[in-house]
Amino acid sequence: DTEVTQTPKHLVMGMTNKKSLKCEQHMGHRAMYWYKQKAKKPPELMFVYSYEKLSINESVPSRFSPECPNSSLLNLHLHALQPEDSALYLCASSQAASGLTDTQYFGPGTRLTVL
Amino acid sequence: KQEVTQIPAALSVPEGENLVLNCSFTDSAIYNLQWFRQDPGKGLTSLLLIQSSQREQTSGRLNASLDKSSGRSTLYIAASQPGDSATYLCAVRLTGGYSTLTFGKGTMLLVSP
Repeated sequence: DTEVTQTPKHLVMGMTNKKSLKCEQHMGHRAMYWYKQKAKKPPELMFVYSYEKLSINESVPSRFSPECPNSSLLNLHLHALQPEDSALYLCASSQAASGLTDTQYFGPGTRLTVL
Repeated sequence: KQEVTQIPAALSVPEGENLVLNCSFTDSAIYNLQWFRQDPGKGLTSLLLIQSSQREQTSGRLNASLDKSSGRSTLYIAASQPGDSATYLCAVRLTGGYSTLTFGKGTMLLVSP
């Protein structure tokens, strides 16, 4: 099973709402990632978790709050977002965050619209 | 700072043609380079991963080459099919530290029947 799942597929929220994105993998991977992708742009790294600990935060605003409850799950909590945060949010995983030969496996993404 | 450039930005070909997508990167200190496919509004599917010590990788009709010293990679697609229509992204994994990827902007490919 080389699948990364993400829920929900689509999310529409107001600027005062609190919502969460979820990501799950059952490949035994110990590294998980959040990316943000705007239309016609490449994915941009937001966060890296290694062994359930936050390893990299690419200067992401605090209105995005990641959480890794266990080795299979990764959440992204959203609060007080801005319309410019509307994007496709991609989750990925790999065997290890510092692995030299690792392939990153991506989920299908959550399409987020902030009104 | 590593920069990844993909040429062309868009490509339209008739079915059956062989084609080449190009990727260049500014810093040759990479561990590996990965080619992805992305269908509209979807996630990324890994196609091929080439380690820095390798010259090429093949999977079915796809062949990816890597010339680390010149900072270039190519993705060759043989006998293209309409189902190959998608955006193709290359990404490099830098040496040291965690496995972060730097992506190019992609090549949007359209294969017409």
